[in-house]
Amino acid sequence: IAGITQAPTSQILAAGRRMTLRCTQDMRHNAMYWYRQDLGLGLRLIHYSNTAGTTGKGEVPDGYSVSRANTDDFPLTLASAVPSQTSVYFCASSSGLDPTGELFFGEGSRLTVL
Amino acid sequence: GQNIDQPTEMTATEGAIVQINCTYQTSGFNGLFWYQQHAGEAPTFLSYNVLDGLEEKGRFSSFLSRSKGYSYLLLKELQMKDSASYLCAVMDSNYQLIWGAGTKLIIKP
Repeated sequence: IAGITQAPTSQILAAGRRMTLRCTQDMRHNAMYWYRQDLGLGLRLIHYSNTAGTTGKGEVPDGYSVSRANTDDFPLTLASAVPSQTSVYFCASSSGLDPTGELFFGEGSRLTVL
Repeated sequence: GQNIDQPTEMTATEGAIVQINCTYQTSGFNGLFWYQQHAGEAPTFLSYNVLDGLEEKGRFSSFLSRSKGYSYLLLKELQMKDSASYLCAVMDSNYQLIWGAGTKLIIKP
């Protein structure tokens, strides 16, 4: 089934550890995004990529990094996790041809930092 | 600052109609989206409005008034499976999506 795959689905992590959340899409979408979702808050954009080889900072980029070596993969790395990064992380993609187009989301990665 | 407001929680009865409101203040406007998110799942696209008026799609309709900074999502003939959170999002002048915190809709038999 075409779509976006995230891994892991859930992870408990000690503070200070490095963690990479993986995201792969098979829809050949140009644009990809990482959001975090916290209770009582709207989705907040961490980083985005409009096309392979380019990345940009979103609303809350501090403590996170991304790379976009190819069209399909867009990993999110926490270099040194802190408890405030406890959240549900969603990867999303869009065709990018229409900037007002629909977003397709992965199933999310629930991260707990202790 | 940019702001999206929607009620935190609403309750409705199976078979009834419910209207979920969204008001926004953003830097420019390039469209308004509604997404549905069941508990523990990913958001899924429901509708997109860029012009004033009502867009109907089956049991769901979405309305937009750009002059009032206002939208609503109308759900008819409610079913238990409609229990979910409904997220309002506005695309600003930089084509960045600004998201509301979501409205949790509880459907009672």
